[in-house]
Amino acid sequence: DAKTTQPNSMESNEEEPVHLPCNHSTISGTDYIHWYRQLPSQGPEYVIHGLTSNVNNRMASLAIAEDRKSSTLILHRATLRDAAVYYCILRDLNSGGSNYKLTFGKGTLLTVNP
Amino acid sequence: EPEVTQTPSHQVTQMGQEVILRCVPISNHLYFYWYRQILGQKVEFLVSFYNNEISEKSEIFDDQFSVERPDGSNFTLKIRSTKLEDSAMYFCASSANRGGWDIQYFGAGTRLSVL
Repeated sequence: DAKTTQPNSMESNEEEPVHLPCNHSTISGTDYIHWYRQLPSQGPEYVIHGLTSNVNNRMASLAIAEDRKSSTLILHRATLRDAAVYYCILRDLNSGGSNYKLTFGKGTLLTVNP
Repeated sequence: EPEVTQTPSHQVTQMGQEVILRCVPISNHLYFYWYRQILGQKVEFLVSFYNNEISEKSEIFDDQFSVERPDGSNFTLKIRSTKLEDSAMYFCASSANRGGWDIQYFGAGTRLSVL
């Protein structure tokens, strides 16, 4: 899986929007961009994923740059429950080989202040 | 909402003992995974399993580790002779599909403490 770069930590205030960046300059045309998060003492949890177009779901929005070399996870109104480590992971469209696994980096630790 | 369940939540064992960690994946899923996370470190892939055989395994998954799907619902990870360095959180995950678009659903984990 291609490499991603994320800030080690970010801080936000409750009920404010949060923009979590991810750089993936070596992304290939068949790489999906996935975001997972890990709440304290929990297993990783899927947040959102996309290929080329921006995506929205009930948890978040994913904004993908036109050249696909970066993306941003947007939490529209942060809550205390959103405090977690957020992971940006690239996964190849094609099945087989090393595509079975998720390769986690260190992610971004998001702190939400009340 | 369907979820992956893992038991026990915490397992304490003596070095050299065998442990079996259990997982019940989401019922219609076909692909199963084990990951581990040593305290303060990254989540690491151990093994993936499909159609009753290992699809991929990492360097961590040596001869001391084995996986099994003994029936239609459980998925187990066995460590034959535990070492101190096996102390970690172990996460089971499952997915309906494989490939770049699939979503993996994780359990809450089993904390393994090797004394």
